[in-house]
Amino acid sequence: TQTVSQSDAHVTVFEGDSVELRCNYSYGGSIYLSWYIQHHGRGLQFLLKYYSGNPVVQGVNGFEAEFSKSDSSFHLRKASVHWSDSAVYFCAVSANTGKLTFGDGTVLTVKP
Amino acid sequence: GGIITQTPKFLIGQEGQKLTLKCQQNFNHDTMYWYRQDSGKGLRLIYYSITENDLQKGDLSEGYDASREKKSSFSLTVTSAQKNEMAVFLCASSARGQGAGDTQYFGPGTRLLVL
Repeated sequence: TQTVSQSDAHVTVFEGDSVELRCNYSYGGSIYLSWYIQHHGRGLQFLLKYYSGNPVVQGVNGFEAEFSKSDSSFHLRKASVHWSDSAVYFCAVSANTGKLTFGDGTVLTVKP
Repeated sequence: GGIITQTPKFLIGQEGQKLTLKCQQNFNHDTMYWYRQDSGKGLRLIYYSITENDLQKGDLSEGYDASREKKSSFSLTVTSAQKNEMAVFLCASSARGQGAGDTQYFGPGTRLLVL
């Protein structure tokens, strides 16, 4: 069974700040890790994913995430946030099927 | 590009009522999914379908039925709505029938309120 933990329910930063949203997972085998974003009242949109190779993956809108096998983590980062980055961010894992297991999400609020 | 359409956008029902939610995709994707999202929580998989007329139960299938009438459409039925139930139901699709790592594309959701 795969599980995903997003330890921060809410993160608040100011525009131009850097931000890191944390994701930890538990699963014994090979997995895909991904991040999705949900703006208020909308469906989820794909940001980025990792399976193998370079542990730092680049996504849309300046987001990147780093995989760490030793920490069982896949944290999402952005160097300089914009007010439009305010949204809920979901980390997800999938094993050898197409089924995704989602974390509970982190609400990112970017203040002007 | 493609789009996923969910109808209705808002659904208000009565306790015990059978309610049907519909989803259409024009990506020509093989696999479609129904998720339930409760406030402040992640998504939980209700049903998924890897091809027309296929159905696979997710973690939350009790109390729901689903139907994949054709490749482009996937319906979800709440068999007996629970009083004061409030949730968002999200439909998604992905390209391949099986295999990990496929990006899922989501619809805007149907917001359910049971009085």
